[in-house]
Amino acid sequence: KNQVEQSPQSLIILEGKNCTLQCNYTVSPFSNLRWYKQDTGRGPVSLTIMTFSENTKSNGRYTATLDADTKQSSLHITASQLSDSASYICVWRGGGSQGNLIFGKGTKLSVKP
Amino acid sequence: DAGITQSPRHKVTETGTPVTLRCHQTENHRYMYWYRQDPGHGLRLIHYSYGVKDTDKGEVSDGYSVSRSKTEDFLLTLESATSSQTSVYFCAISERGGPSYNEQFFGPGTRLTVL
Repeated sequence: KNQVEQSPQSLIILEGKNCTLQCNYTVSPFSNLRWYKQDTGRGPVSLTIMTFSENTKSNGRYTATLDADTKQSSLHITASQLSDSASYICVWRGGGSQGNLIFGKGTKLSVKP
Repeated sequence: DAGITQSPRHKVTETGTPVTLRCHQTENHRYMYWYRQDPGHGLRLIHYSYGVKDTDKGEVSDGYSVSRSKTEDFLLTLESATSSQTSVYFCAISERGGPSYNEQFFGPGTRLTVL
């Protein structure tokens, strides 16, 4: 069973529209939850990192929310741009030894003109 | 890509041959990681290093070995490549490795095809 589930798998939106990507995790306890953006052919780049005590964190047009009670996180993208076309990966980090990251499979977002 | 280079960027090899991938960083970060990324899977940790000559296994370490003789270089070796090791390999670095608010920075990746 996947411990970090992302939905939808893929999404197509028009430029300028908003969208929300979802992440549910089943593992606990956790240290922090991260969102990464991965452009095609490149490595992931961090967008946000939130601890369990943080409900929301923004990075420009990207806003991540976290509900530690329901174990859900979302990434909201405002006024999408063509350059937002990428995969967005949710990553859970547990307490304990370093290297303990669990990556979701990602949501592939395509922004069309 | 945060001062991280990987070489080669692309490689095609045959089953049974040895392959070494190199990760080089200019950030002087203590921790280095090797991941593989496959369709239908999230990134999975192969091995990581917490200092020169200090390494440990990750989730999918079978068939792989690593070495770190200098802070800046982390090598991943496939002793005898198999088709199941066809993947995109990413190196990552972090300043610290504990369950704290520290970030991992990823390299550009190496696409390996084993025929």
